[in-house]
Amino acid sequence: DGGITQSPKYLFRKEGQNVTLSCEQNLNHDAMYWYRQDPGQGLRLIYYSQIVNDFQKGDIAEGYSVSREKKESFPLTVTSAQKNPTAFYLCASSLTSGTGVLYSNQPQHFGDGTRLSIL
Amino acid sequence: AQTVTQSQPEMSVQEAETVTLSCTYDTSESDYYLFWYKQPPSRQMILVIRQEAYKQQNATENRFSVNFQKAAKSFSLKISDSQLGDAAMYFCAYTGANSKLTFGKGITLSVRP
Repeated sequence: DGGITQSPKYLFRKEGQNVTLSCEQNLNHDAMYWYRQDPGQGLRLIYYSQIVNDFQKGDIAEGYSVSREKKESFPLTVTSAQKNPTAFYLCASSLTSGTGVLYSNQPQHFGDGTRLSIL
Repeated sequence: AQTVTQSQPEMSVQEAETVTLSCTYDTSESDYYLFWYKQPPSRQMILVIRQEAYKQQNATENRFSVNFQKAAKSFSLKISDSQLGDAAMYFCAYTGANSKLTFGKGITLSVRP
C-alpha cells in the first residue's frame, strides 16, 4: 500500500543537539511538507518542497533545516537553534503538475507523525 | 494573508445524532479550496471532505456534508448519524493560489454513547 512513513515515532533531544526526523513516501508525489503541531494550535508549515533539490521556507522555518535529494525522502533536522522544539511533527505529500507547480485542489496525505521532546 | 477561524474549541454529540462544526475564513482570492481534516487519537490526519470555491453545490461524502457560504466566508461541516469512531479533532483548512494549506486551530469532538 502506498503511504507516508515517519520515523521515529518518539524522539528525545538533549541540549545543544541536532536531531533528524525521517519522512519517506511511496505515493510518487512531487511535493512534500513539514508541519509542527502544538497543543491548542493548528498545524503550522515549517518547510515545503515542490520538486527534488528545491525547497522553500514556510511560516516557522527558524531553527529547522531540510534536504530533498530524492523524490521519496524529505528529512527534517531540528537544530540546536530551535529553542522550543517540543511538539508533534507531521510530514505530508501531494501531487503537482509535474513541472513543480502545486495543485491547490489536491489534498495532502499525512504520515503518522513524530513526537519530539527535550530531555 | 489568509486566516481560518474555528471558534469552538470543543463540542459534544450524542451517538446517532447530528452535529455541525463551524469554520470561517478570510481571503481576498476568488479561487480557492477548502478542506476538513480529521485527527483521531492516533494523530494521523485524514481528509474528510473537500470543497471547490467555484462550485455552488455543497460537497458530501456519505455521512459528512458541508454548508459552504462563499459570501459569508463560512464552511461548516455536518456529521449525520454520529458514531463513536467520529470522536476526534477536526481541522478546517484553506488553500489558494500559493497552494499552501492554512489550518484553523481545530475543534475536539466527543461522541456520547
